[in-house]
Amino acid sequence: EVQLVESGGGLIQPGGSLRLSCAASGFTVSSNYMSWVRQAPGKGLEWVSVIYSGGSTYYADSVKGRFTISRDNSKNTLYLQMNSLRAEDTAVYYCASLSQTAYYGYWGQGTLVTVSS
Amino acid sequence: QSALTQPPSASGSPGQSVTISCTGTSSDVGGYNYVSWYQQHPGKAPKLMIYEVSKRPSGVPDRFSGSKSGNTASLTVSGLQAEDEADYYCSSYAGSNSPSVFGGGTKLTVL
Repeated sequence: EVQLVESGGGLIQPGGSLRLSCAASGFTVSSNYMSWVRQAPGKGLEWVSVIYSGGSTYYADSVKGRFTISRDNSKNTLYLQMNSLRAEDTAVYYCASLSQTAYYGYWGQGTLVTVSS
Repeated sequence: QSALTQPPSASGSPGQSVTISCTGTSSDVGGYNYVSWYQQHPGKAPKLMIYEVSKRPSGVPDRFSGSKSGNTASLTVSGLQAEDEADYYCSSYAGSNSPSVFGGGTKLTVL
């Protein structure tokens, strides 16, 4: 059974940094496309970032230059390093597997990031 | 990439059918047969309901179906049941550097 478990969310002040983790089981992170998708309170889903199996990474314009997606193959874990956080980054962050035909087959339970002073 | 356009709400009585639209452009919905749909209940993670426009994952009831015409994709829920009440999001491929763009979501109410 595939499981994706996010951690690392919490309350952080504007301008601060946070690293989210997504531990996978029953599934090999490095062999798959992996994404972070976020959902602000009461709002819709927003794609944040992707890392392809070959290692290429891409970001939404709203986080480009501030967020970094990475993975640790030995730990089978996906990360999202978030710097220079803003109030508008407040959201539940989901990690999800992205198929080659652009659908999200597996989702984690999400971790809440709140940016507030 | 701009978000895809979905109606904010839809509704139907038990047993009826309802269709939710998802409008994009030739750069996303119209350009690829890579539209997917997700169901989200309050406080839960999204769940894949339709992929590649009209395919259903194992375990998704055949009451759920998808289609596409031009720049608009649609999700139809037939034989509405109380448990179908949820938010529904469409998503489309929009290029390798923007692998998915989501719609704003549609709240489906079963009357």
